[in-house]
Amino acid sequence: QVQLVQSGAEVKKPGASVKVSCKASGYTFTSYDINWVRQATGQGLEWMGWMNPNSGNTGYAQKFQGRVTMTRNTSISTAYMELSSLRSEDTAVYYCARGRVLATFRYNFDYWGQGTLVTVSS
Amino acid sequence: DIQMTQSPSSLSASVGDRVTITCQASQDISNYLNWYQQKPGKAPKLLIYDASNLETGVPSRFSGSGSGTDFTFTISSLQPEDIATYYCQQYDNPFTFGGGTKVEIK
Repeated sequence: QVQLVQSGAEVKKPGASVKVSCKASGYTFTSYDINWVRQATGQGLEWMGWMNPNSGNTGYAQKFQGRVTMTRNTSISTAYMELSSLRSEDTAVYYCARGRVLATFRYNFDYWGQGTLVTVSS
Repeated sequence: DIQMTQSPSSLSASVGDRVTITCQASQDISNYLNWYQQKPGKAPKLLIYDASNLETGVPSRFSGSGSGTDFTFTISSLQPEDIATYYCQQYDNPFTFGGGTKVEIK
């Protein structure tokens, strides 16, 4: 069965960086995009960006341009999201989600990781 | 970016009630819209894709409709296990979510 398993909770100081991993299993890792979505406590969902694990191509939400980097290691079917220059407002649960293409221009997030809590505090 | 306005932000209904949530896009997105359910402490789950298609394994009491800028999500008969927050998501350019609708049992 398809699974996305994320790394554990992190506590970081303002100005630091965090790198969250997302290990995929149960499908061919390079056949589906990986998206990253975050959710501050009690708030809604915010899309951060996507990565094509086959090509390594990425696309980032404008809000995170220059601060986020999405990479992958295909040999271990793992995607990574690194966010730099952390501030308190980045405290949130970060999710990876598989991007499924059903047809041209038809896209959804069909499997999600369990989430990783990142706390930014001095 | 395309803005998604979801309403209401919360609702309380009785078991067996019909529940309707609306989502309005700031511009025409055709039917590039998905609906997700998120239970407390859990990751979101895809329920409806392309505005009206039921994801495999999702109960038929869930449905969606709409195109252009106005969309509707319906639970035909609310069940206790449907307590969750529901989000719409447009994927026309690039991806944005609605603010969510928290559904509670009266």
